[in-house]
Amino acid sequence: DAGVTQSPTHLIKTRGQQVTLRCSPKSGHDTVSWYQQALGQGPQFIFQYYEEEERQRGNFPDRFSGHQYPNYSSELNVNALLLGDSALYLCASSPTYNEQFFGPGTRLTVL
Amino acid sequence: AQSVAQPEDQVNVAEGNPLTVKCTYSVSGNPYLFWYVQYPNRGLQFLLKYITGDNLVKGSYGFEAEFNKSQTSFHLKKPSALVSDSALYFCAVRDTYGGATNKLIFGTGTLLAVQP
Repeated sequence: DAGVTQSPTHLIKTRGQQVTLRCSPKSGHDTVSWYQQALGQGPQFIFQYYEEEERQRGNFPDRFSGHQYPNYSSELNVNALLLGDSALYLCASSPTYNEQFFGPGTRLTVL
Repeated sequence: AQSVAQPEDQVNVAEGNPLTVKCTYSVSGNPYLFWYVQYPNRGLQFLLKYITGDNLVKGSYGFEAEFNKSQTSFHLKKPSALVSDSALYFCAVRDTYGGATNKLIFGTGTLLAVQP
């Protein structure tokens, strides 16, 4: 059974560009959360998706948006990239309301 | 606001010695507490959780954590450290505000360095 998978592993973009990150949850998990981990910091909650709806959102601007598909996979989109968006983006999946299992992350570098 | 604090940026311990990584929390209501470990260039791996029940929780790789309600602490422990335990450790609490989600609030992390 594959765990949580994320793609791509690494990504380099320039300021102002847009990026899409992808996540496939662990089998049987219906809830997907996204976190941003800046260098030297703990992960910060971006938002959570359940039943294809955004259920809760952290303190991130509207430039950050997401989507969940019927097969529970999810995307994180970031528009108008800023240098400060450089971070490790972590996807986590869980059965409803249970502990979260994290993927390996996507390292985004904005130049 | 709910939060967790990890007062030590780094903990150094010799291989074979016991280790403790400290965490304190601030929540309203009953806390749901977690420990995760992160190896370089990797995601977070779940170690253990406290929901209710015994104050001593046993987890993966020989780690355990002690929940202390009066001190609002949830320290991670291991009786005998291994060099391979060297990693970044995060304490987290489930956020009980904002609706029925299992959003996690993380501490800033503690780097554990085990010397041979």
